[in-house]
Amino acid sequence: SSELTQDPTVSVALGQTVTITCQGGIFRSYYASWYQVKPGQAPLLVMFGKNNRPSGIPDRFSGSRSGSTASLTITGAQAEDEADYFCCSRDHSGSHLVFGSGTKVTVL
Amino acid sequence: QITLKESGPTLVKPTQTLTLTCTFSGFSLSSGVGVGWIRQPPGQALEWLALFYWDGDKRYNPSLRGRLTLTKDTSENQVVLTMTDMDPVDTATYFCARSDYYSDDFCFDYWGQGTLVTVSS
Repeated sequence: SSELTQDPTVSVALGQTVTITCQGGIFRSYYASWYQVKPGQAPLLVMFGKNNRPSGIPDRFSGSRSGSTASLTITGAQAEDEADYFCCSRDHSGSHLVFGSGTKVTVL
Repeated sequence: QITLKESGPTLVKPTQTLTLTCTFSGFSLSSGVGVGWIRQPPGQALEWLALFYWDGDKRYNPSLRGRLTLTKDTSENQVVLTMTDMDPVDTATYFCARSDYYSDDFCFDYWGQGTLVTVSS
């Protein structure tokens, strides 16, 4: 099975920019989607496709991909963005799904 | 409004079989739509478990294959996951979520709140 690797923790000062990466995917063929997870809450889709935000997701969230790496950028991080973030994509078979190892984002 | 809700036991004993039901509303298992299961052990990453597609196609995480079975309730708005031979390492919050077979843009768009299942004697 495939593995998607993320940095375990990142921190960002309030109002600054942070980029979370997801490595190991076949992002030439499939996009990564990104999920924000807060304790006790349902995971929330915050980014999908080439660079698409679901309705209600602030435009400070953006996405990109390059080769085997997908990225989620928060420009002007807010306190409410503090959460765990997971990427997800299809595995190399295309038949199964795989989540990344997760990144804890701390807003200082 | 699309909603999904997981239900099932909160506590199971080792070696027992877990049965979880995902009841959804606001959509139907029509062309392209799938319902999947994902879990998250305390303090750990999300792990994809299984997917049930509208046409009866079922996909399972290879690392758990043999323990997982997906069925659809005759009401057609429920997908049931069974996991055999439960172990304490299977203690996790179990989520169900909606997927789209034809989309490579996302894994899941709508999620349930999740249900915590503890495996302990």
